[in-house]
Amino acid sequence: EAQVTQNPRYLITVTGKKLTVTCSQNMNHEYMSWYRQDPGLGLRQIYYSMNVEVTDKGDVPEGYKVSRKEKRNFPLILESPSPNQTSLYFCASSPPGLAGVRSTDTQYFGPGTRLTVL
Amino acid sequence: DAKTTQPPSMDCAEGRAANLPCNHSTISGNEYVYWYRQIHSQGPQYIIHGLKNNETNEMASLIITEDRKSSTLILPHATLRDTAVYYCIAGNTGGFKTIFGAGTRLFVKA
Repeated sequence: EAQVTQNPRYLITVTGKKLTVTCSQNMNHEYMSWYRQDPGLGLRQIYYSMNVEVTDKGDVPEGYKVSRKEKRNFPLILESPSPNQTSLYFCASSPPGLAGVRSTDTQYFGPGTRLTVL
Repeated sequence: DAKTTQPPSMDCAEGRAANLPCNHSTISGNEYVYWYRQIHSQGPQYIIHGLKNNETNEMASLIITEDRKSSTLILPHATLRDTAVYYCIAGNTGGFKTIFGAGTRLFVKA
C-alpha cells in the first residue's frame, strides 16, 4: 500500500531533550516536506526537500533540522525542543514534475505526530 | 503561490450539493488550483486540481471561472463524513513552498 508513515504518532517530552520524528514514504517520491499545524494558524511548512541531500527552509524553520540521506526518509530533528514547538506535525511527499518545472502532482500526507514539550 | 480567500465556514444539508468558493485573483498563468481537505486532525487529503478547464473525479467537481480568478469545489451529494476543513491552494504543490490558508470549515448536517 502506498503510504507515508510517521513515528512516533504521539510524544510527550521535556524542554531541551533532543528528539527525532521519522518520516518514510514507499512511493519513490522525490519531494518531501514537513509541516506543523497549530490552532488558528493552519498548516505551515517547516522544511522541504527536492531530492537526496537537497533541502530548503519553509516558512517556520527556526528550531528544526532535517536531513535527506535516503530518498524514502526525511527525519525532522528538534535539537533542543521548547514548549512553543508543541504542535501537530505532518510529513508529506510528492512525485516530481518535468525537469525544470515544478510538479503539478499532489502531496500525500502522513497521519501526523502530536508532540507536547513540557 | 497566489493568495487565496475562502469563507471561514459553511453549512450544508446531508444529501445536498456543497459548493465551496475560493478567490485567487492573483493566480498566474501556469499555476494550478488545488483542493485538499482535512478531516479532524488527520493528514490533509488531496481532492482535485485543475488549470483552466473544469474537472471532475469520483470525489468532487472543480469549476474554474474563465478569467481563472475564482473557483468552486462541488461535492455533489454531501454526507456527514464530508465534514472537514477544505483548503484551496493556487500554485504548484509539488513539494516546493506550499501555502495552506485557513480553509473553509464545512459542516454537513443531518
